[in-house]
Amino acid sequence: DVKVTQSSRYLVKRTGEKVFLECVQDMDHENMFWYRQDPGLGLRLIYFSYDVKMKEKGDIPEGYSVSREKKERFSLILESASTNQTSMYLCASSSPQGPTYEQYFGPGTRLTVT
Amino acid sequence: AQSVTQLDSQVPVFEEAPVELRCNYSSSVSVYLFWYVQYPNQGLQLLLKYLSGSTLVKGINGFEAEFNKSQTSFHLRKPSVHISDTAEYFCALPHAGNMLTFGGGTRLMVKP
Repeated sequence: DVKVTQSSRYLVKRTGEKVFLECVQDMDHENMFWYRQDPGLGLRLIYFSYDVKMKEKGDIPEGYSVSREKKERFSLILESASTNQTSMYLCASSSPQGPTYEQYFGPGTRLTVT
Repeated sequence: AQSVTQLDSQVPVFEEAPVELRCNYSSSVSVYLFWYVQYPNQGLQLLLKYLSGSTLVKGINGFEAEFNKSQTSFHLRKPSVHISDTAEYFCALPHAGNMLTFGGGTRLMVKP
């Protein structure tokens, strides 16, 4: 069965802390994505990666960075957390083989920055 | 540029009633469309997808959607909802090979 896991379901951090969100997929997918989900705004893409050590900015990359050292793992980093980064964070993966490009999602991490 | 608009942010409905969740899209190229569902405290899972062929697409849990090119719509329907259908539903437009553009989501609230 397809599996995308995220390291934490709930996380509470203080303003200014460095935060790491981890995502692991077991489907040997090349593509991995980080989204944030806010009410009424749907999912917005933060960063994505087509391959190991490759990364591309999405629609809202400011305040975030990513790391992909292994194919199965994609990390989202908040260098200095701020209260406006309180949100639900979703990781996804997909194969580059078309035509569906279906993305498979993890359960999400609800991050609260106080 | 591609965009997806979900016209209703919340849809309350009584159990066993029919429901329609509306989605309109904008795209300058050939279109695929997805509907995802997110149950409380879970990630998204694919409900159904339109790739080509028949404009009426059937998905899991009794849901179906109709692709209408002239109206640029992909509305999701179910003839009789259950309490367990309470969730958030997202319409999504694949593009650029691997990307998805999502609508803002519709929260379906099924009442007993």
